Amino acid sequence: QQPVQSPQAVILREGEDAVINCSSSKALYSVHWYRQKHGEAPIFLMILLKGGEQKGHDKISASFNEKKQQSSLYLTASQLSYSGTYFCGTANPAGYALNFGKGTSLLVTP
Amino acid sequence: DSGVTQTPKHLITATGQRVTLRCSPRSGDLSVYWYQQSLDQGLQFLIQYYNGEERAKGNILERFSAQQFPDLHSELNLSSLELGDSALYFCASSPWEGRGGYTFGSGTRLTVV
Repeated sequence: QQPVQSPQAVILREGEDAVINCSSSKALYSVHWYRQKHGEAPIFLMILLKGGEQKGHDKISASFNEKKQQSSLYLTASQLSYSGTYFCGTANPAGYALNFGKGTSLLVTP
Repeated sequence: DSGVTQTPKHLITATGQRVTLRCSPRSGDLSVYWYQQSLDQGLQFLIQYYNGEERAKGNILERFSAQQFPDLHSELNLSSLELGDSALYFCASSPWEGRGGYTFGSGTRLTVV
C-alpha cells in the first residue's frame, strides 16, 4: 500500500520549477505532503481531501486526482530553503493512518 | 518545538535487550502514530492509537508493542532487539482521525550494537 513517488531525486537551480508525483494502487481518502530536512522531523506542508482539490503554500501547490489515484506537488521558482526530502502520505477509506512513499530528494543550488 | 515530545533522543543498546520509547502528543491531539525510518525504507507505519484505543497496525513486528495511556502519552516497547532494528523512530500526532496534518516529534535514534 506504499505509494510510489517519482522522481527519486531532483537537482534544481534557484528559480527553477519542479514537479513531484505520487501514485497509489488503492483508492485514496486523502493525500498529505511533508518536507524533511536532514536530521530533522518531517514538516507538514498540506493535505488534500477531495478529488481535484488544489492547495497552495507560498509557491508550493499540489493537486489531487482521485480518479487516477495520484497527486502532484508543484514547486515554483524554487528557493534554497526548498531543499530536502519530500514525502507524500496516503490514507485509504479503510483507515486514516498514512502510508508514506520512499521520498523524493530535492536539492536547490545557487 | 513542534509540541510533540519524544524521549530519549538517542539510545544505544545491545542485541537482545528491551527498550521503551516515549511520546507526548501535541496538546489537544487525540491520535498518536509511530513510524520507523531507515535509509532504504523511508517512513514505515507501525501503529496508531486514538484516544487510548489501538486503531490501525502497519508493519509492526511481534517483538514490538505499544500503548496509549489515559493522559494520551504513548510508549513503544521494542524487545529482543536485533541489529536491523537500528533506525530513527518517530511519533506523530493529529487532532482527529482523517483530519489535519501530522505533527512529528524530533524522533528517537536507536542504535543496536
